[in-house]
Amino acid sequence: SQTIHQWPATLVQPVGSPLSLECTVEGTSNPNLYWYRQAAGRGLQLLFYSVGIGQISSEVPQNLSASRPQDRQFILSSKKLLLSDSGFYLCAWGESGANVLTFGAGSRLTVL
Amino acid sequence: AQRVTQPEKLLSVFKGAPVELKCNYSYSGSPELFWYVQYSRQRLQLLLRHISRESIKGFTADLNKGETSFHLKKPFAQEEDSAMYYCALIGTGGFKTIFGAGTRLFVKA
Repeated sequence: SQTIHQWPATLVQPVGSPLSLECTVEGTSNPNLYWYRQAAGRGLQLLFYSVGIGQISSEVPQNLSASRPQDRQFILSSKKLLLSDSGFYLCAWGESGANVLTFGAGSRLTVL
Repeated sequence: AQRVTQPEKLLSVFKGAPVELKCNYSYSGSPELFWYVQYSRQRLQLLLRHISRESIKGFTADLNKGETSFHLKKPFAQEEDSAMYYCALIGTGGFKTIFGAGTRLFVKA
């Protein structure tokens, strides 16, 4: 069966520090991968998605970047965190053409 | 532009009462619509999708293309239905699922 892992679960970082959130999927090949940010009252905002290794689409201009170095690995990064980067980040995967998303447990980032 | 609107941030009903969570969408083609749910301390998960036309945990949702709506309904709410509900759409042949702001349902005993 397929599983999705996301870590770290919580992270407290100072302003200006780098960020790396990692997401891996098991039990499937060539998944579509997604990073969302969940904010109270604003729903889930799509940040990045990827349909293959090295293929990244960015949805909103921001201080973050994403990479997909391997088929089932999706990384969310920042070189210098801002206070506004604080939030709850969700990784998700979907089978190509299947349209249903399966979400990870999320990573709560607090930037101080 | 694709957009999903959930007008209610919070919906509070008594156990046994009917519940309707509203969802309206904006999309020029024929999207696929979903409801996702997040129970306390659990992951966000699919509740139902319009193409399945099935009832899950007593919930149903009908796609109304004329009104561009996909409201979620349940005739008798249960306490365990208390959760955060998100309406979502994906466009034809698309890769991006767009979510609404979410509605928190609170079912009181």
